[in-house]
Amino acid sequence: DTGVSQNPRHKITKRGQNVTFRCDPISEHNRLYWYRQTLGQGPEFLTYFQNEAQLEKSRLLSDRFSAERPKGSFSTLEIQRTEQGDSAMYLCASSLDWQDFTEAFFGQGTRLTVV
Amino acid sequence: AQSVTQLDSQVPVFEEAPVELRCNYSSSVSVYLFWYVQYPNQGLQLLLKYLSGSTLVKGINGFEAEFNKSQTSFHLRKPSVHISDTAEYFCAVRNSGAGSYQLTFGKGTKLSVIP
Repeated sequence: DTGVSQNPRHKITKRGQNVTFRCDPISEHNRLYWYRQTLGQGPEFLTYFQNEAQLEKSRLLSDRFSAERPKGSFSTLEIQRTEQGDSAMYLCASSLDWQDFTEAFFGQGTRLTVV
Repeated sequence: AQSVTQLDSQVPVFEEAPVELRCNYSSSVSVYLFWYVQYPNQGLQLLLKYLSGSTLVKGINGFEAEFNKSQTSFHLRKPSVHISDTAEYFCAVRNSGAGSYQLTFGKGTKLSVIP
């Protein structure tokens, strides 16, 4: 078990382009989360999956953002028509149901720079 | 709605001195509390958590935190810091009830340990 894996680690894109990030959670973790972290801020919740179902979405997740988790395994986060304000670190986390509490394990993040 | 306030954005401290990083939270429901550490260009690592029971919780790397319900605080302490503790520290809360698993983070405190 190598932990939560995110790819790519860094992405530079031109404004208006589409980008897609991938997150591979810890094996058998049924919950997967996406967070966004901008400079000088703490991570902000974007969306959450339980297995393949997307159960919660933040208002931060505009129509240009879409996330999927086919078959309840890896997840992708796509940003369409990127804007400079999308520049941030995108963090993925996963957790496993256990009684009433789950501890989230974070990946190393994908740093997006929109130029 | 929940919020987390980390009162100090930066804390410089000499090596082997004690340190306290302050965290206050606001919530209308009972919460779980967490401290995470983030090293440069890395994801977040859980230091410690408070779920219930003893208000003094011990974590990794010699850190501990005390939950104070009346003051809605969860301050992080270490009696003697090391150079390797230089990092950014995030306090976070989560609703302790079922059905809401997102973490709400503070803006972070950058701890700089001076040799």
